[in-house]
Amino acid sequence: EAQVTQNPRYLITVTGKKLTVTCSQNMNHEYMSWYRQDPGLGLRQIYYSMNVEVTDKGDVPEGYKVSRKEKRNFPLILESPSPNQTSLYFCASSPDPYNEQFFGPGTRLTVL
Amino acid sequence: QKEVEQDPGPLSVPEGAIVSLNCTYSNSAFQYFMWYRQYSRKGPELLMYTYSSGNKEDGRFTAQVDKSSKYISLFIRDSQPSDSATYLCAMKIDSWGKLQFGAGTQVVVTP
Repeated sequence: EAQVTQNPRYLITVTGKKLTVTCSQNMNHEYMSWYRQDPGLGLRQIYYSMNVEVTDKGDVPEGYKVSRKEKRNFPLILESPSPNQTSLYFCASSPDPYNEQFFGPGTRLTVL
Repeated sequence: QKEVEQDPGPLSVPEGAIVSLNCTYSNSAFQYFMWYRQYSRKGPELLMYTYSSGNKEDGRFTAQVDKSSKYISLFIRDSQPSDSATYLCAMKIDSWGKLQFGAGTQVVVTP
């Protein structure tokens, strides 16, 4: 089944404890992206990647890192999480930036 | 001011009614307009994709774009309880560009 998977789906952590949210797609897509979704603000792009080893900042990159060492994986790294990073995170992929993005199921992160 | 404005709802309608959703935007450069549906605890999925002004119909769904008014709409005819979800509008300046999302409108269709 073609899909985007994210792990974990739910995470509660404490301020300053480094964490990684994994994202993997099995559709051989070039383009991958991370969003955060907050009430009243909609989805905002954090980082995106056009291909392996090519990443760039979205609208709200502060406090986040990404890497794209393999085509299928695009992990989101929070080196020192803070409470304002409590949010619902979505990974998405598409064949290229022109096409429909397929979203993962989301990761709900709470930083205490 | 946000670039894309969308009433968060909730919008509650009885089964069989027409659901009317809309977004306004401030950037006249937007050319590509989308509607996504998001069920609870799921990621968004693309419903409709339109370019420039006009109407597009797909089954029970109709998307309208009025660029002169910077206003887009989504209509759902013969609404079903399975249409209960959050609907997000999204738009971008060119086919390559970054998506700007509205905040989403929660729709509840009651049997």
